[in-house]
Amino acid sequence: GDSVTQMEGPVTLSEEAFLTINCTYTATGYPSLFWYVQYPGEGLQLLLKATKADDKGSNKGFEATYRKETTSFHLEKGSVQVSDSAVYFCALSDRYGNNRLAFGKGNQVVVIP
Amino acid sequence: DSGVTQTPKHLITATGQRVTLRCSPRSGDLSVYWYQQSLDQGLQFLIQYYNGEERAKGNILERFSAQQFPDLHSELNLSSLELGDSALYFCASREGRDTDTQYFGPGTRLTVL
Repeated sequence: GDSVTQMEGPVTLSEEAFLTINCTYTATGYPSLFWYVQYPGEGLQLLLKATKADDKGSNKGFEATYRKETTSFHLEKGSVQVSDSAVYFCALSDRYGNNRLAFGKGNQVVVIP
Repeated sequence: DSGVTQTPKHLITATGQRVTLRCSPRSGDLSVYWYQQSLDQGLQFLIQYYNGEERAKGNILERFSAQQFPDLHSELNLSSLELGDSALYFCASREGRDTDTQYFGPGTRLTVL
């Protein structure tokens, strides 16, 4: 079935550093792709999405581009802040499965002042 | 605030017991999805309802069941609870038939002792 793979391990970086979190997917057809963010003690918030190849999703300084040729949807931010510390999940929407979401394992991001 | 509400926020119970988790979708959303988040399994899709009817099933145990009522709120029933059922349970609602974005509630944290 459809699946999402995120890079292993937490990400620790200094304030104003560049952030990249890798995400690759396996899917039948052309799913929509999402990044969700989970702040401590809270639920999942939609960060950005892309619905077709070459689409770029963006929000709050974060960006990700739907790359069909490499089946990837990497998340980037040019200058992180302490408030960006959270867990980030990559997900795809299975259009053949009533749009259920398949999630990656998530990456803990810690931004140090 | 996503507009999706879940109650209770926390639930502590004993093995063998039965609990009910409640979810109210965003106003106008007909689809409700349930997900389980655990340390070992990550975020997994359990079940989906659309306008009162079950539409898709994922990794949902036979001890678990759900329903969606005429007012569109949904309940997830977990019975014969085991220690391994301890997890965060999220519901999400989808905007509509033509979109695939899901909005998540704050979750119910279930602890089985």
